[in-house]
Amino acid sequence: AQSVSQHNHHVILSEAASLELGCNYSYGGTVNLFWYVQYPGQHLQLLLKYFSGDPLVKGIKGFEAEFIKSKFSFNLRKPSVQWSDTAEYFCAVIPKAAGNKLTFGGGTRVLVKP
Amino acid sequence: EPEVTQTPSHQVTQMGQEVILRCVPISNHLYFYWYRQILGQKVEFLVSFYNNEISEKSEIFDDQFSVERPDGSNFTLKIRSTKLEDSAMYFCASSDGGRQGETQYFGPGTRLLVL
Repeated sequence: AQSVSQHNHHVILSEAASLELGCNYSYGGTVNLFWYVQYPGQHLQLLLKYFSGDPLVKGIKGFEAEFIKSKFSFNLRKPSVQWSDTAEYFCAVIPKAAGNKLTFGGGTRVLVKP
Repeated sequence: EPEVTQTPSHQVTQMGQEVILRCVPISNHLYFYWYRQILGQKVEFLVSFYNNEISEKSEIFDDQFSVERPDGSNFTLKIRSTKLEDSAMYFCASSDGGRQGETQYFGPGTRLLVL
């Protein structure tokens, strides 16, 4: 069965710092990849997704992620965070051969200090 | 912007009782999902539903669980006889298509506590 790992459980950084959150998946075939975000008190919402093509994907709010197939990774980045980026971030995978169920990583809580 | 809504936001129940969690998916969506997150653990898929049938379910989704679309707007998850280990946040999601990787839109969740 596929699994998704997010290496950092908690990240604390200051405004204007750069953010990179790691995500690795274990699945031998081709996959669709997602990053979801959950702001405090709100529901999970999609930040960005990768299906095919350019491995560098740009999402909302200045986020981007890079799919590196050889490393089974899909890391999320933002060059300069704001206080409003404080949230929990979830990486998720859907193998192309396996229906439409999302398999989530454990999430990373990001706290941006003003 | 249309949203998925869920009721109640919190539910406390006694072990062995039946609970029904309710969801109103986005109105033109055709695919519906339930996920859950036990405290401190990952969000896990439970079931997907399309055209009044379960299209996929996980091993968690045993005979104690059922889903239904009782009318044109609601999508429910029933747990027949709750156990302590059913305590979790339950998320409903919907998507407008079933194509691979179609974006799933999530509701705010129902926090279920089984005592």
